[in-house]
Amino acid sequence: SQTIHQWPATLVQPVGSPLSLECTVEGTSNPNLYWYRQAAGRGLQLLFYSVGIGQISSEVPQNLSASRPQDRQFILSSKKLLLSDSGFYLCAWEDYLAGGNEQFFGPGTRLTVL
Amino acid sequence: SQQGEEDPQALSIQEGENATMNCSYKTSINNLQWYRQNSGRGLVHLILIRSNEREKHSGRLRVTLDTSKKSSSLLITASRAADTASYFCATDFGGFKTIFGAGTRLFVKA
Repeated sequence: SQTIHQWPATLVQPVGSPLSLECTVEGTSNPNLYWYRQAAGRGLQLLFYSVGIGQISSEVPQNLSASRPQDRQFILSSKKLLLSDSGFYLCAWEDYLAGGNEQFFGPGTRLTVL
Repeated sequence: SQQGEEDPQALSIQEGENATMNCSYKTSINNLQWYRQNSGRGLVHLILIRSNEREKHSGRLRVTLDTSKKSSSLLITASRAADTASYFCATDFGGFKTIFGAGTRLFVKA
C-alpha cells in the first residue's frame, strides 16, 4: 500500500534562517507531487507541483523553492525565511495516470517563523 | 479566481442532526472532490463526483453536483461527534492542479 511521509512534524525557525522540508512517498511510481501551505483556519494554497523528476511548477512567486531529486522525493526549501512563511505545510501525491485525481496528503509540518 | 468557495464558513449542530455544506465555483470542471481535515492533520479524501454525475453516496455522505449552477453540496446524515472537522471542496479544471476552497468548519456537539 502507498504511504506518504513528511518531516519534521513541527519546526520553529528564526527569520532569515534556511528551511528544508522533506516529503517521500512509498508504494507508487511516478506520482504527481504537490506542496501546499495552509494558514490557520484557512484553505490550501498550492505552492508547487511536480509531474516528474526535476520538473517543478511554481504557482506563487515567493522566497520558497522546491526540488524533486528522486521520483518519490519532494523537497521544499528556502534560503531565508520570512515571518509570513509561517503556516502548515502539506505534501500530497496523486496517481494522475489512474485518472481519479484523488490526492493523498501527508501529516503536515507546522512551521513557525519568529 | 477559480477557487471553490464553501458556505457556511462554520456550522455547529447537535449529534444526530444532518449537516449540509455547500460549494460554489466559477468555471467548468472535470470533477469535484470533498475532503475532510481533522485539526492539525492532513486532508483525507471523502468522495469524488464527475461533471456528468449529479449525485453520489458513500455511507452517511451524500454529494450532489449542479453544473448549471456551478455548485455542489455535501450532506452528512445522522452526524456524530467524530464528524467534527473542516470540510473542503476541491475542483479539477483539467491539467495537474486541483483548487481547494477555504473550507467549512463543522462542530458536532455530543
